[in-house]
Amino acid sequence: EADIYQTPRYLVIGTGKKITLECSQTMGHDKMYWYQQDPGMELHLIHYSYGVNSTEKGDLSSESTVSRIRTEHFPLTLESARPSHTSQYLCASTNPGHNNEQFFGPGTRLTVL
Amino acid sequence: DQQVKQNSPSLSVQEGRISILNCDYTNSMFDYFLWYKKYPAEGPTFLISISSIKDKNEDGRFTVFLNKSAKHLSLHIVPSQPGDSAVYFCAARISGSARQLTFGSGTQLTVLP
Repeated sequence: EADIYQTPRYLVIGTGKKITLECSQTMGHDKMYWYQQDPGMELHLIHYSYGVNSTEKGDLSSESTVSRIRTEHFPLTLESARPSHTSQYLCASTNPGHNNEQFFGPGTRLTVL
Repeated sequence: DQQVKQNSPSLSVQEGRISILNCDYTNSMFDYFLWYKKYPAEGPTFLISISSIKDKNEDGRFTVFLNKSAKHLSLHIVPSQPGDSAVYFCAARISGSARQLTFGSGTQLTVLP
């Protein structure tokens, strides 16, 4: 069973605050991903990483940034949150041997007031 | 430009009957397809997948069919159970792509008891 964790699960904050969404996996997976998803919409890839010190932007433009200092940890940061950032953020990881199956964390539901 | 499309946002089926969820894609470079299931406030979980060299893959109550000429795949669930009620996402991969998976917008399946 996949072990990938996200904290917090829910976050309500005011405009202008800096926030960091945490994502950790204990499977030793090289590749990790951040998706943004709104109800009734597809998952949009906003960041991905091949491994330590490797990060790339995804298909959907995002004002967030990510870092990958350790294999197991892939945090996402918003320097100044805005109401337009309100969404669900999903973290995932995969290894090539898993036939591209991505294991997802439970997600963080972010609301910016 | 959405490359993976799930044109039915919702589907209701009676318990015990067959559920058929559909997915269309436009990119002929996709070579692997996956279905994910998502409950509210949780991350997606992998359900079943199919390679482009096959036209059918079966796993218990779940069968995925691929029609490459029509660029269409479908997920059959039989018999449907109330616990199957969830959002189902279709996803596709291009071999060697760094970004891995492209997702559809999902179909909300409701299985009525």
